[in-house]
Amino acid sequence: KQEVTQIPAALSVPEGENLVLNCSFTDSAIYNLQWFRQDPGKGLTSLLLIQSSQREQTSGRLNASLDKSSGRSTLYIAASQPGDSATYLCAVNQGGKLIFGQGTELSVKP
Amino acid sequence: EAGVTQFPSHSVIEKGQTVTLRCDPISGHDNLYWYRRVMGKEIKFLLHFVKESKQDESGMPNNRFLAERTGGTYSTLKVQPAELEDSGVYFCASSLQTSRLAGLQETQYFGPGTRLLVL
Repeated sequence: KQEVTQIPAALSVPEGENLVLNCSFTDSAIYNLQWFRQDPGKGLTSLLLIQSSQREQTSGRLNASLDKSSGRSTLYIAASQPGDSATYLCAVNQGGKLIFGQGTELSVKP
Repeated sequence: EAGVTQFPSHSVIEKGQTVTLRCDPISGHDNLYWYRRVMGKEIKFLLHFVKESKQDESGMPNNRFLAERTGGTYSTLKVQPAELEDSGVYFCASSLQTSRLAGLQETQYFGPGTRLLVL
């Protein structure tokens, strides 16, 4: 049974810092991995999708990597801003359905 | 292009009542998914439609939940009768599919969710 774990559960950093969010999964038989952002009381915004054959994806200040064999993904946020404050979720796609981690709650202090 | 929309945004009902949630996917998206997050837990898959057919309903908790997607456009999720443990946020997502295999790899776009509270 696939299990997705995100570490840390919460993170508070000062503005301008570079940071890394971690996601691990137990079963490497995945189609892809998606990183999402969720603001309080809102839906999920897709940030990056990495196909199982890819190693990384980049979008602006965000870079996500995938090491399928070790069951790990990282989301790197460069030069963090207060507007980056949100909960970040990773999810692996197995057979079309997404299996989510619990999320990392990020707070970026001005 | 309009995103995934869900109605209502909030619903408060009493135990034993019926509630119907609606999801309108992005136009042209064949895949439609329902997920939910109950208090303190991670978001969990409920079921997956491809057009009007149920592709995977392995996440449906019990027979009090009924999902439909007549005509392959919008979908409804009915809970009857609702129980206290059904409280949570119900999300709908959709994705494009050009072929069955390709569809499993597409980005899923989520709606804002319906917040259900059963008293």
